[in-house]
Amino acid sequence: AQSVTQLGSHVSVSEGALVLLRCNYSSSVPPYLFWYVQYPNQGLQLLLKYTSAATLVKGINGFEAEFKKSETSFHLTKPSAHMSDAAEYFCAVSAFTGNQFYFGTGTSLTVIP
Amino acid sequence: GAVVSQHPSRVICKSGTSVKIECRSLDFQATTMFWYRQFPKQSLMLMATSNEGSKATYEQGVEKDKFLINHASLTLSTLTVTSAHPEDSSFYICSAHNTVAGEETQYFGPGTRLLVL
Repeated sequence: AQSVTQLGSHVSVSEGALVLLRCNYSSSVPPYLFWYVQYPNQGLQLLLKYTSAATLVKGINGFEAEFKKSETSFHLTKPSAHMSDAAEYFCAVSAFTGNQFYFGTGTSLTVIP
Repeated sequence: GAVVSQHPSRVICKSGTSVKIECRSLDFQATTMFWYRQFPKQSLMLMATSNEGSKATYEQGVEKDKFLINHASLTLSTLTVTSAHPEDSSFYICSAHNTVAGEETQYFGPGTRLLVL
């Protein structure tokens, strides 16, 4: 069984500040982990993914995430928030890339000018 | 990169009518596609797994007779919401699994917003 927990349904940061979105997973098999971003009324855009290679994964738009097996975490970070980063972020886990995804409840990121 | 399209992007229908949503993988073949549902300000919930040439596998609580899934080819899966009711109003998103060697990943469509009046 697999599941994802995203701590904090709403996160607000100032423009230029560090962005930290938390994701903890539960998986009975080695997990594949993903972060997606969703802008209003749009579909999902893949930010980055972990598929058992390097534990520090770099994605698009300056985002990165680190897989920590001991903490069962895959937190998303960005050193400096930009106004365009305001969106809904979803963490997801799957048994492998071709299997169904289990999504977290999402974190809404607000960037304050 | 690989692209998944959905048609229509938005649909408004009357209660009791049926609506068909198409999910296409435009530049790759997908033996497996997934259908998700997203209510406002909520996460995506898997509805069913669609396998080309075989019956779809539905998640618990999803009515297979109400949400008909057909995966007739390696590039097309359809979701038909039969006898739609206002509570079926939602954002429906599909994803397709690209099994090309060296690029095993899943791509999501842009979603279809259904409003049932």
